Amino acid sequence: ELQLVESGGGLAQPGGSLRLSCVGSGFIFNSQAMTWVRQAPGKGLEWVSSISGNDDNTVYADSVKGRFTISRDNSKNTLYLQMNSLRAEDTAVYYCTKPSWNYEGDWFDPWGQGTLVTVSS
Amino acid sequence: EIVLTQSPATLALSPGERATLSCGASQSVRARYLAWYQQKPGLAPRLLIYDASKRATGIPDRFSGSGSGTDFTLTISRLEPEDFAVYYCQQYSSSPVTFGGGTNVEIK
Repeated sequence: ELQLVESGGGLAQPGGSLRLSCVGSGFIFNSQAMTWVRQAPGKGLEWVSSISGNDDNTVYADSVKGRFTISRDNSKNTLYLQMNSLRAEDTAVYYCTKPSWNYEGDWFDPWGQGTLVTVSS
Repeated sequence: EIVLTQSPATLALSPGERATLSCGASQSVRARYLAWYQQKPGLAPRLLIYDASKRATGIPDRFSGSGSGTDFTLTISRLEPEDFAVYYCQQYSSSPVTFGGGTNVEIK
């Protein structure tokens, strides 16, 4: 069974940093593109960032470009999202998910359970 | 970027009724690259439909997708109690991928 499990969420101050992790199992992690999608409280879904399977290519939403960095450690089947210079508007549940194939745009399945990031002083 | 507009925002129906959800795109969605997701409170989204009309693994056949170009539809033929949830459409025709604002299907 394909499974994704996120961790690392919590409370951060404006301007602070957090690193999210997502461990994948049940599939060949190092050949698969991966993606982060977020959902602000009571709001819809927003694509954040994606990375190719071989780690050579990354893309970001304009809202996080220059502040967030997506990366992966294929030896640990783990995806990361380093979030710096956090703002109140980054408050959201962050989901790890797997594009069907294309890291630049595809449908997403499965999804992790999500991890809540709250940015507040 | 392609903006997706879902309507109605809320749909109040009874179990057993037919639900028709719409998703309109600001530009043509190439190759029918559109997906639908179901989300229940406190849970992650679940893929229902991809490529506009293909059901994901394990999705009951009461869920069907149709449409092309700028107009897409998700139909639930007969609502079951577990179908009351929020539904999102998503396009992957062009970067960045974008999601619609959602339709909340609630019990009447």
